[in-house]
Amino acid sequence: AQSVSQHNHHVILSEAASLELGCNYSYGGTVNLFWYVQYPGQHLQLLLKYFSGDPLVKGIKGFEAEFIKSKFSFNLRKPSVQWSDTAEYFCAASSWGKFQFGAGTQVVVTP
Amino acid sequence: EADIYQTPRYLVIGTGKKITLECSQTMGHDKMYWYQQDPGMELHLIHYSYGVNSTEKGDLSSESTVSRIRTEHFPLTLESARPSHTSQYLCASSGVGYEQYFGPGTRLTVT
Repeated sequence: AQSVSQHNHHVILSEAASLELGCNYSYGGTVNLFWYVQYPGQHLQLLLKYFSGDPLVKGIKGFEAEFIKSKFSFNLRKPSVQWSDTAEYFCAASSWGKFQFGAGTQVVVTP
Repeated sequence: EADIYQTPRYLVIGTGKKITLECSQTMGHDKMYWYQQDPGMELHLIHYSYGVNSTEKGDLSSESTVSRIRTEHFPLTLESARPSHTSQYLCASSGVGYEQYFGPGTRLTVT
């Protein structure tokens, strides 16, 4: 069965620390990968996406993600977080237009 | 900025009532989706549509129904609300790029 798993449910870190959120997917064939963010009280927004080409993709707000096909992974990174990065982050995969989301990671950045 | 709207944003209703959650998008997207999300939990796909007069049930069993008579409109109906339906309902749409754009959600409470 197709699935998306996120390694951490909760992450707490200080401002200026580096962030890496793990995401693994289980899909056969071609897959498109996404990271979404949900800030407190706001709706889900697309951070970045990977369809093909360069496996290192850059998104908004300084985030980037690396697609490693051999590891079925699509980890999200940010070198230096800010308090405003406090949010819930969802990894998602789609194949033939059908989406599957991970359980989400709640990230809290302390001042 | 994605233009996808959901009404109402919040709804408190008694058991047994019929309710319709509205979702509209102005982007001309063919594909639309309904998700159910409990606080701190993953998104569960409950319905999707790939075009007018096309609707399918998602991965999570739901007692709701949907219709897609117009491209821009994808309402979700609960014929008889129950406390177990208390949740947040998210509507999304996607076009040729496959990434999904989300509405602000409807937080439903059934008493």
